[in-house]
Amino acid sequence: NAGVMQNPRHLVRRRGQEARLRCSPMKGHSHVYWYRQLPEEGLKFMVYLQKENIIDESGMPKERFSAEFPKEGPSILRIQQVVRGDSAAYFCASSPEELSGKGTQYFGPGTRLLVL
Amino acid sequence: GENVEQHPSTLSVQEGDSAVIKCTYSDSASNYFPWYKQELGKRPQLIIDIRSNVGEKKDQRIAVTLNKTAKHFSLHITETQPEDSAVYFCAATHRWPNDYKLSFGAGTTVTVRA
Repeated sequence: NAGVMQNPRHLVRRRGQEARLRCSPMKGHSHVYWYRQLPEEGLKFMVYLQKENIIDESGMPKERFSAEFPKEGPSILRIQQVVRGDSAAYFCASSPEELSGKGTQYFGPGTRLLVL
Repeated sequence: GENVEQHPSTLSVQEGDSAVIKCTYSDSASNYFPWYKQELGKRPQLIIDIRSNVGEKKDQRIAVTLNKTAKHFSLHITETQPEDSAVYFCAATHRWPNDYKLSFGAGTTVTVRA
């Protein structure tokens, strides 16, 4: 089992550009979560997706950020018109089912976004 | 929502000694408490977790205790080794139906001195 895969591992963007972060969950996992980690801080929940559905995006900024998990292919976190404050590590996690009593979240290696 | 506080923020121990990290949470309905270890530049790795129906769980040199009444849980690492040096995060779920959502503590940087 290859584990959760994320790419790219490092991404540099200039202010105003778009950033696309990809996440492939573990085989057999149908639940994907995105978290953001600022330097020397804990991870903050952004969004929870199942295939073709956004279940909870309450942690994601209303503007410029969007996420999807299509029927085929990886989950995508998209940040439009990036600003310096978007610089952070973005981690994706996956689980085989919801956490209520069963599923454990396994994290990918993260994408470190730097906005110049 | 859930709020998780973690202490201490840094911890330095002599190799072979024990390390203890404590976390408190705010929502009495939280039912799942994982601990993650994150080495520099790496992914958070689950090292142990506990559910609200038990008070203690052990896995070799690592143990976690949960006090639901006081709403706190702790990570205990015995016989520490240099490879235990990392940042450790505690987390707690939100109450149902949002119990997929993990709230993390701010992390504890553990340094094991050889």
